[in-house]
Amino acid sequence: AIQLTQSPSSLSASVGDSVTITCRASQGVTSDLAWYQQRPGKRPELLIYEASSVASGVPSRFSGSGSGTDFTLTIHSLQPEDFATYYCQHFNSFPLTFGGGTKVEIK
Amino acid sequence: QLQLQESGPGLVKPSETLSLTCAVSSGSIRSNNHYWAWLRQTPGKGLEWIASTYYTGSTYYSPSLQSRITVSVDTSKNQFSLTLTSVTAADTAFYYCARGLRVVVSRGPKNTWFDTWGHGTLVTVSS
Repeated sequence: AIQLTQSPSSLSASVGDSVTITCRASQGVTSDLAWYQQRPGKRPELLIYEASSVASGVPSRFSGSGSGTDFTLTIHSLQPEDFATYYCQHFNSFPLTFGGGTKVEIK
Repeated sequence: QLQLQESGPGLVKPSETLSLTCAVSSGSIRSNNHYWAWLRQTPGKGLEWIASTYYTGSTYYSPSLQSRITVSVDTSKNQFSLTLTSVTAADTAFYYCARGLRVVVSRGPKNTWFDTWGHGTLVTVSS
């Protein structure tokens, strides 16, 4: 199975900051990568698909990039509602797998 | 807007069978463009994909769970189900159902990202 390693596992930032989260795949997944946001006690929500396409309704401050094995999620100008945990997921082959998550906390 | 709702017992005894159902509303499970999936989340292991199914009944299972899981679709009730046998404490988790986009590529159909999730249901395995 393809393993996804996210870094950092957690970070502290202030409202207005920009943050970048990375996701590294154990083997190439082309652009077959999605990102999700999960707020405490809530279900995951799709942010980014196909590595860089922003899902419908997602604010433009979220962006994704990368291909092959290295991917990034960037949040520009953090808002209070962005403090959450973020997960990457590949869909290059079965089994589908997720990264371990990155928790974005308020500094 | 499509909605998914998980249902099933919140408590299951060790060695018994966990059964969950996901009701699909405001949309049809008979979609050519989507898969229907089960996932779970534990504090220790994070998010884990369990299985995906298409409305025709074709299924894809996680290798780590495939000996214990069965997923089925009931198009007449617009729902799909998960059974997990011989449960242990390690199966305690939040269980989610989700809709995945189905894309047909040169090597065949592919389950991609999950665009809609249920709210999740906590299942605890304990005597």
